[in-house]
Amino acid sequence: NAGVTQTPKFQVLKTGQSMTLQCAQDMNHEYMSWYRQDPGMGLRLIHYSVGAGITDQGEVPNGYNVSRSTTEDFPLRLLSAAPSQTSVYFCASSYSRTGTGELFFGEGSRLTVL
Amino acid sequence: AQTVTQSQPEMSVQEAETVTLSCTYDTSESDYYLFWYKQPPSRQMILVIRQEAYKQQNATENRFSVNFQKAAKSFSLKISDSQLGDAAMYFCAPNSRPTGNQFYFGTGTSLTVIP
Repeated sequence: NAGVTQTPKFQVLKTGQSMTLQCAQDMNHEYMSWYRQDPGMGLRLIHYSVGAGITDQGEVPNGYNVSRSTTEDFPLRLLSAAPSQTSVYFCASSYSRTGTGELFFGEGSRLTVL
Repeated sequence: AQTVTQSQPEMSVQEAETVTLSCTYDTSESDYYLFWYKQPPSRQMILVIRQEAYKQQNATENRFSVNFQKAAKSFSLKISDSQLGDAAMYFCAPNSRPTGNQFYFGTGTSLTVIP
Protein backbone atom coordinates (compact mmCIF):
# COMPACT_ATOMS: atom_id res chain seq x y z
CA ASN A 1 0.00 0.00 0.00
CA ALA A 2 1.39 3.38 -1.00
CA GLY A 3 -0.61 5.45 1.52
CA VAL A 4 0.25 9.14 1.14
CA THR A 5 2.85 9.98 -1.47
CA GLN A 6 4.58 13.36 -1.65
CA THR A 7 6.86 14.61 -4.38
CA PRO A 8 9.47 15.95 -4.58
CA LYS A 9 11.24 15.02 -1.34
CA PHE A 10 13.78 17.82 -1.71
CA GLN A 11 13.66 21.08 -3.66
CA VAL A 12 15.75 24.22 -3.83
CA LEU A 13 14.16 27.35 -5.23
CA LYS A 14 15.23 30.91 -5.82
CA THR A 15 13.18 33.75 -4.44
CA GLY A 16 10.27 34.52 -6.74
CA GLN A 17 10.14 31.12 -8.41
CA SER A 18 6.99 29.06 -8.37
CA MET A 19 6.54 25.38 -7.75
CA THR A 20 3.99 22.74 -6.85
CA LEU A 21 4.31 20.11 -4.16
CA GLN A 22 2.36 17.06 -5.16
CA CYS A 23 0.37 14.90 -2.77
CA ALA A 24 -1.58 11.76 -3.63
CA GLN A 25 -3.33 9.20 -1.44
CA ASP A 26 -4.77 5.84 -2.41
CA MET A 27 -6.94 5.27 0.68
CA ASN A 28 -10.05 7.04 -0.64
CA HIS A 29 -9.82 9.59 2.17
CA GLU A 30 -12.10 12.59 1.96
CA TYR A 31 -9.92 14.75 4.21
CA MET A 32 -6.52 16.00 3.06
CA SER A 33 -4.28 18.68 4.46
CA TRP A 34 -0.92 20.41 4.20
CA TYR A 35 1.33 21.32 7.12
CA ARG A 36 4.64 23.04 7.43
CA GLN A 37 7.13 22.10 10.11
CA ASP A 38 9.65 24.62 11.36
CA PRO A 39 12.14 24.16 14.22
CA GLY A 40 10.56 24.85 17.60
CA MET A 41 7.12 25.47 16.12
CA GLY A 42 5.61 22.03 15.63
CA LEU A 43 3.35 21.50 12.65
CA ARG A 44 1.15 24.31 11.43
CA LEU A 45 -1.83 23.81 9.14
CA ILE A 46 -1.63 25.60 5.80
CA HIS A 47 -4.73 24.45 3.90
CA TYR A 48 -7.10 21.55 4.10
CA SER A 49 -9.87 19.92 2.10
CA VAL A 50 -12.85 17.81 3.16
CA GLY A 51 -13.61 16.56 -0.33
CA ALA A 52 -13.18 17.17 -4.04
CA GLY A 53 -13.93 20.77 -4.89
CA ILE A 54 -13.79 21.92 -1.26
CA THR A 55 -10.78 23.66 0.27
CA ASP A 56 -10.28 25.97 3.21
CA GLN A 57 -7.53 27.90 4.91
CA GLY A 58 -5.67 26.78 7.96
CA GLU A 59 -3.48 28.67 10.37
CA VAL A 60 -0.78 29.90 7.93
CA PRO A 61 -2.28 30.07 4.39
CA ASN A 62 -0.55 33.18 3.03
CA GLY A 63 1.69 32.53 0.03
CA TYR A 64 0.16 29.14 -0.70
CA ASN A 65 -2.58 27.97 -3.01
CA VAL A 66 -4.40 24.63 -3.20
CA SER A 67 -7.04 22.92 -5.26
CA ARG A 68 -8.80 19.56 -5.00
CA SER A 69 -10.11 18.32 -8.33
CA THR A 70 -10.05 14.63 -7.36
CA THR A 71 -10.33 12.67 -4.13
CA GLU A 72 -6.78 11.34 -4.57
CA ASP A 73 -4.77 14.51 -5.24
CA PHE A 74 -4.17 17.68 -3.25
CA PRO A 75 -1.32 19.79 -4.69
CA LEU A 76 0.18 22.74 -2.85
CA ARG A 77 1.34 25.67 -4.97
CA LEU A 78 3.86 28.35 -4.09
CA LEU A 79 3.25 31.15 -6.58
CA SER A 80 6.26 33.31 -5.68
CA ALA A 81 8.59 31.62 -3.25
CA ALA A 82 10.09 33.58 -0.36
CA PRO A 83 12.89 32.60 2.06
CA SER A 84 10.29 32.50 4.85
CA GLN A 85 8.77 29.50 3.09
CA THR A 86 11.89 27.42 3.70
CA SER A 87 10.48 24.53 5.67
CA VAL A 88 9.56 20.87 5.68
CA TYR A 89 6.10 20.29 4.25
CA PHE A 90 3.84 17.40 5.13
CA CYS A 91 0.72 16.23 3.41
CA ALA A 92 -1.74 14.24 5.54
CA SER A 93 -5.06 12.56 4.93
CA SER A 94 -7.77 11.08 7.11
CA TYR A 95 -10.84 8.88 6.70
CA SER A 96 -12.67 11.26 9.00
CA ARG A 97 -13.88 14.68 7.88
CA THR A 98 -14.70 15.63 11.45
CA GLY A 99 -11.41 15.13 13.26
CA THR A 100 -12.18 11.82 14.90
CA GLY A 101 -9.69 9.78 12.96
CA GLU A 102 -5.94 9.71 12.78
CA LEU A 103 -3.93 11.54 10.18
CA PHE A 104 -1.85 9.53 7.73
CA PHE A 105 1.23 11.46 6.73
CA GLY A 106 3.47 11.53 3.72
CA GLU A 107 7.23 11.40 4.19
CA GLY A 108 7.64 15.14 3.92
CA SER A 109 9.21 17.51 1.40
CA ARG A 110 12.14 19.70 2.37
CA LEU A 111 12.00 23.02 0.57
CA THR A 112 14.80 25.58 0.62
CA VAL A 113 14.24 29.04 -0.81
CA LEU A 114 17.40 31.03 -1.48
CA ALA B 1 -6.45 28.82 16.79
CA GLN B 2 -6.21 26.39 19.61
CA THR B 3 -3.27 26.67 22.01
CA VAL B 4 -1.31 23.49 22.66
CA THR B 5 1.61 23.52 25.11
CA GLN B 6 4.30 20.93 25.45
CA SER B 7 6.46 22.37 28.19
CA GLN B 8 9.31 19.88 27.90
CA PRO B 9 11.35 20.54 24.75
CA GLU B 10 13.69 17.66 25.60
CA MET B 11 13.43 14.61 27.80
CA SER B 12 15.65 11.60 28.38
CA VAL B 13 14.99 8.18 29.85
CA GLN B 14 17.03 5.12 30.60
CA GLU B 15 16.21 2.06 28.57
CA ALA B 16 13.51 -0.06 30.29
CA GLU B 17 12.45 2.85 32.49
CA THR B 18 9.23 4.90 32.35
CA VAL B 19 8.87 8.46 31.12
CA THR B 20 5.93 10.86 30.97
CA LEU B 21 5.55 13.61 28.38
CA SER B 22 3.20 16.44 29.22
CA CYS B 23 0.69 18.31 27.08
CA THR B 24 -1.86 20.95 27.96
CA TYR B 25 -4.33 22.59 25.63
CA ASP B 26 -6.94 25.24 25.57
CA THR B 27 -10.40 24.61 24.18
CA SER B 28 -13.92 25.71 24.96
CA GLU B 29 -15.38 22.62 23.30
CA SER B 30 -16.67 19.64 25.26
CA ASP B 31 -16.46 17.07 22.50
CA TYR B 32 -13.06 16.43 21.01
CA TYR B 33 -10.31 13.95 20.34
CA LEU B 34 -6.67 14.04 21.35
CA PHE B 35 -3.75 12.42 19.62
CA TRP B 36 -0.07 11.77 20.24
CA TYR B 37 2.16 11.43 17.20
CA LYS B 38 5.74 10.20 17.02
CA GLN B 39 8.31 11.50 14.54
CA PRO B 40 11.50 9.42 14.46
CA PRO B 41 14.64 10.61 12.67
CA SER B 42 13.20 9.23 9.43
CA ARG B 43 10.76 12.16 9.62
CA GLN B 44 7.70 9.94 9.12
CA MET B 45 4.85 10.94 11.44
CA ILE B 46 3.17 7.97 13.13
CA LEU B 47 0.12 7.86 15.38
CA VAL B 48 0.96 6.63 18.88
CA ILE B 49 -2.35 6.83 20.67
CA ARG B 50 -5.80 8.45 20.53
CA GLN B 51 -8.14 9.53 23.32
CA GLU B 52 -11.79 10.48 23.02
CA ALA B 53 -12.69 13.28 25.42
CA TYR B 54 -16.09 11.86 26.31
CA LYS B 55 -14.51 8.63 27.53
CA GLN B 56 -13.39 8.66 31.16
CA GLN B 57 -11.13 5.67 30.71
CA ASN B 58 -7.58 6.52 29.69
CA ALA B 59 -6.43 5.03 26.41
CA THR B 60 -3.71 2.38 26.34
CA GLU B 61 -1.72 0.93 23.45
CA ASN B 62 0.79 -1.66 24.59
CA ARG B 63 3.56 0.25 26.40
CA PHE B 64 1.93 3.63 25.72
CA SER B 65 -0.81 5.09 27.86
CA VAL B 66 -2.29 8.48 28.52
CA ASN B 67 -3.33 10.37 31.62
CA PHE B 68 -6.25 12.47 30.46
CA GLN B 69 -7.47 15.12 32.86
CA LYS B 70 -10.35 16.85 31.09
CA ALA B 71 -11.01 19.51 33.69
CA ALA B 72 -7.33 20.46 33.76
CA LYS B 73 -7.10 20.18 29.95
CA SER B 74 -4.09 17.95 30.32
CA PHE B 75 -3.16 14.98 28.14
CA SER B 76 0.14 13.37 29.11
CA LEU B 77 1.76 10.38 27.45
CA LYS B 78 3.41 7.67 29.51
CA ILE B 79 5.90 5.32 27.90
CA SER B 80 6.68 2.23 29.94
CA ASP B 81 9.65 -0.09 29.48
CA SER B 82 11.30 2.43 27.16
CA GLN B 83 13.11 1.04 24.15
CA LEU B 84 15.79 2.51 21.91
CA GLY B 85 13.24 2.70 19.11
CA ASP B 86 11.14 5.09 21.17
CA ALA B 87 13.69 7.85 20.59
CA ALA B 88 11.85 10.49 18.56
CA MET B 89 9.99 13.77 18.62
CA TYR B 90 6.55 13.45 20.16
CA PHE B 91 3.73 15.79 19.27
CA CYS B 92 0.46 16.29 21.06
CA ALA B 93 -2.48 17.20 18.81
CA PRO B 94 -5.96 17.90 20.13
CA ASN B 95 -8.78 18.24 17.65
CA SER B 96 -11.97 19.90 18.73
CA ARG B 97 -15.43 20.20 17.24
CA PRO B 98 -17.07 21.99 15.54
CA THR B 99 -13.84 22.88 13.76
CA GLY B 100 -12.89 19.24 14.00
CA ASN B 101 -11.06 19.26 10.72
CA GLN B 102 -8.27 21.50 11.98
CA PHE B 103 -5.57 19.82 14.00
CA TYR B 104 -3.31 21.95 16.16
CA PHE B 105 0.03 20.49 17.12
CA GLY B 106 2.22 21.26 20.09
CA THR B 107 5.85 22.25 19.58
CA GLY B 108 7.03 18.76 20.39
CA THR B 109 9.18 16.95 22.94
CA SER B 110 12.43 15.35 21.82
CA LEU B 111 12.88 12.05 23.65
CA THR B 112 16.30 10.47 24.02
CA VAL B 113 16.58 6.88 25.22
CA ILE B 114 19.84 6.09 26.99
CA PRO B 115 21.10 2.50 26.66
